[in-house]
Amino acid sequence: AQSVTQLDSHVSVSEGTPVLLRCNYSSSYSPSLFWYVQHPNKGLQLLLKYTSAATLVKGINGFEAEFKKSETSFHLTKPSAHMSDAAEYFCVWGGTASKLTFGTGTRLQVTL
Amino acid sequence: DVKVTQSSRYLVKRTGEKVFLECVQDMDHENMFWYRQDPGLGLRLIYFSYDVKMKEKGDIPEGYSVSREKKERFSLILESASTNQTSMYLCASSAPGRTYEQYFGPGTRLTVT
Repeated sequence: AQSVTQLDSHVSVSEGTPVLLRCNYSSSYSPSLFWYVQHPNKGLQLLLKYTSAATLVKGINGFEAEFKKSETSFHLTKPSAHMSDAAEYFCVWGGTASKLTFGTGTRLQVTL
Repeated sequence: DVKVTQSSRYLVKRTGEKVFLECVQDMDHENMFWYRQDPGLGLRLIYFSYDVKMKEKGDIPEGYSVSREKKERFSLILESASTNQTSMYLCASSAPGRTYEQYFGPGTRLTVT
């Protein structure tokens, strides 16, 4: 089955340091991939999307992700973490019939 | 901005009760979805709907049913609530042609005792 694997359930960084949230996908063809973010007590929000137009995708709030077919990865990065980035992040695979398959989530903690 | 609203933020029900969770979107979206979110499991799709009176099973439909009588409203029904249905329930909608860009409601935290 097509799926995504988020390699870390919890990541903690200091404010101002880089963020790396890791996601691998399994698919026999080039997928559509997304990152969604869920801030505490708020609905999920689309952060960025990859749909094969460009391998480096820029999203909101300074986040970006690079699609690497050779590594079957779609890691989410940000050069400098901010306290407001603390949230849960989901790597998502876009399948057929408009269905999304969510990873298990990575909780990002940002400390002073 | 798209707005997806869910009828309750928190809900407590007893085992065996029939439970209705309501979702309304205000952007005339054709597609609507119900997920449940559990720690360590991410979001899992329960049911989705492409249009009024249309429904498709998701990955975990057992114990649930849905109703879509109007385009803007998508209801999730737990016919006989059980404790293993204690969870966060999220509704989402999306437009045709942008079906992967889903807009989510704030969620309903359901506790079945």
